Amino acid sequence: SSELTQDPAVSVALGQTVRITCQGDSLRSYYASWYQQKPGQAPVLVIYGKNNRPSGIPDRFSGSSSGNTASLTITGAQAEDDADYYCNSRDSSGNHRWVFGGGTKLTVL
Amino acid sequence: QVTLKESGPVRVRPTETLTLTCTVSGFSLSNARMGVSWIRQPPGKALEWLAHIFSNDEKSYSTSLKSRLTISKDTSTSQVVLTMTNMDPVDTATYYCARLFYDYVWGSYRHKFDYWGQGTLVTVSS
Repeated sequence: SSELTQDPAVSVALGQTVRITCQGDSLRSYYASWYQQKPGQAPVLVIYGKNNRPSGIPDRFSGSSSGNTASLTITGAQAEDDADYYCNSRDSSGNHRWVFGGGTKLTVL
Repeated sequence: QVTLKESGPVRVRPTETLTLTCTVSGFSLSNARMGVSWIRQPPGKALEWLAHIFSNDEKSYSTSLKSRLTISKDTSTSQVVLTMTNMDPVDTATYYCARLFYDYVWGSYRHKFDYWGQGTLVTVSS
């Protein structure tokens, strides 16, 4: 399968911890990368590989994976984390194709 | 400083062919383990990966859109071009180009779309 499934919406209280999940067969073979997108802006990479953060991404963002599920965890969510989050993985066929999840709208209350 | 910038028409008519150009700077299109993808996002909807071109000119396409897409690059001008034929109103979207970097860590493949263009909104209407 080349699909990645995300919950459409998740909410978290300010300062609390939230986990955003992504499921798909390809995740058994390949790491997910995660992107944050705010309205009217291009996506921004927040996590890639096993648990790698690009420079400039706060350390409250972390990634993990188990079986067919990848997770993005925000520990101590801030108001500025209110955004859409997309997971992305290489296609499970092994070909050089990539697939995005349907996105999760995170609301910080 | 790595940048990518999309350019092309803001509007095309149904059945026409769309041609988009991504001009990159700060890296070379011949760098190993790097390439450029096109990704689109219809208004209010999710990201959709369309096509990719590697430094060695290898190309890959979305299975569902493969028959309509062509990607190419000109390393000398640092440009990647995407053409999409037979445009339809459902193709209305913001089209992004993004740099892909991939490597292997302890034998495991990892990748990242680490730089994105600002995107260009293309509307398909008559």
